Amino acid sequence: DTGVSQDPRHKITKRGQNVTFRCDPISEHNRLYWYRQTLGQGPEFLTYFQNEAQLEKSRLLSDRFSAERPKGSFSTLEIQRTEQGDSAMYLCASSARDYNIDTQYFGPGTRLTVL
Amino acid sequence: ILNVEQSPQSLHVQEGDSTNFTCSFPSSNFYALHWYRWETAKSPEALFVMTLNGDEKKKGRISATLNTKEGYSYLYIKGSQPEDSATYLCAFRTTDSWGKLQFGAGTQVVVTP
Repeated sequence: DTGVSQDPRHKITKRGQNVTFRCDPISEHNRLYWYRQTLGQGPEFLTYFQNEAQLEKSRLLSDRFSAERPKGSFSTLEIQRTEQGDSAMYLCASSARDYNIDTQYFGPGTRLTVL
Repeated sequence: ILNVEQSPQSLHVQEGDSTNFTCSFPSSNFYALHWYRWETAKSPEALFVMTLNGDEKKKGRISATLNTKEGYSYLYIKGSQPEDSATYLCAFRTTDSWGKLQFGAGTQVVVTP
């Protein structure tokens, strides 16, 4: 399977714990995005990487959130001191710029539940 | 319109019937409109990317149209099948973004045999 993969698929944690999610994009894609979806809403943009550079961050991404893409391949999203409001589906997408229109291909997401 | 809005929120369709639903988006700074299909426990699947006013795209029994001047897109499903049951998301991209998509909340389609 050469699609976008995310790990883990589900994570249950207690409030105050740190969690880290991983995203492996499609191998030749240089752009990587993180989104978050809460119940009844569409996905909301969190951050964007082009290669290893983090080029845009949403105001939704508080200081407790950090994302990295150290070698321009896989990416990690860490949430420190989790809160119940962090419970959501975290989606990763990747794209390769083609004729200025880049379709973003999504992974299956990581569902986080904070107790 | 300041955000992306989709209507209806959900709809039930009998197998074999055709249906359509709407995505409304800000008409200023338009760059592209994306449609995705998201089945439970799967990855959102890209259906269409549309950029030009009057664009029409088709994939099997699913088609979409785009009106950038008035800020709306329609998605049509012809002869609905149970496997069409999913949430259909539209996402809007502006000229001043790095690729950030602004999603609507989706239209949940349930096709009953």
